[in-house]
Amino acid sequence: DAGVTQSPTHLIKTRGQQVTLRCSPKSGHDTVSWYQQALGQGPQFIFQYYEEEERQRGNFPDRFSGHQFPNYSSELNVNALLLGDSALYLCASSLSVGGSVGYEQYFGPGTRLTVT
Amino acid sequence: ELKVEQNPLFLSMQEGKNYTIYCNYSTTSDRLYWYRQDPGKSLESLFVLLSNGAVKQEGRLMASLDTKARLSTLHITAAVHDLSATYFCAVSSDSNYQLIWGAGTKLIIKP
Repeated sequence: DAGVTQSPTHLIKTRGQQVTLRCSPKSGHDTVSWYQQALGQGPQFIFQYYEEEERQRGNFPDRFSGHQFPNYSSELNVNALLLGDSALYLCASSLSVGGSVGYEQYFGPGTRLTVT
Repeated sequence: ELKVEQNPLFLSMQEGKNYTIYCNYSTTSDRLYWYRQDPGKSLESLFVLLSNGAVKQEGRLMASLDTKARLSTLHITAAVHDLSATYFCAVSSDSNYQLIWGAGTKLIIKP
């Protein structure tokens, strides 16, 4: 049983470019959350997707957008990249029951984004 | 606004010693998580604490939760070098949709 997978592992982009990161949740999970972790800091919640809709959003600008597909996989898109967007981007998967998020949250290996 | 504070932020200790990491949070929450992160790696789940007085142990690590004091502790017994990592606590928001994280405790255990 594959756990949470993310691609790519590493990415180098130039300021102003756009990037797409991908996440496949753990088998049986239907909810995907995205976090940004800057070096030396704790993760910051970007948003959560459930039933192909953004269910909640953290304090991130509209340059950050996402999508969830019918197979529960998800994408994170970041437009107009800034140097400050350099970070580890983590995807977490969980199972929502009756609309409530289950307590188990599994994290993927992350995508290291470097903006130059 | 839910805030999470960990202390200490950095801890250097000798093998064989005991120590405790503290996690305080500002408002009520249903769930408290402890994660471990090795350099350049993702987050590994250690414990999920769901009720007042909950205590969980795995090997040399033991976590406890006091919801009235809004405090969780991660106790390390007879530390070994392999436990060197950064430890994060996280608390779920009232909707349980997002986790609010502490800044992490970087633990270095010297032989």
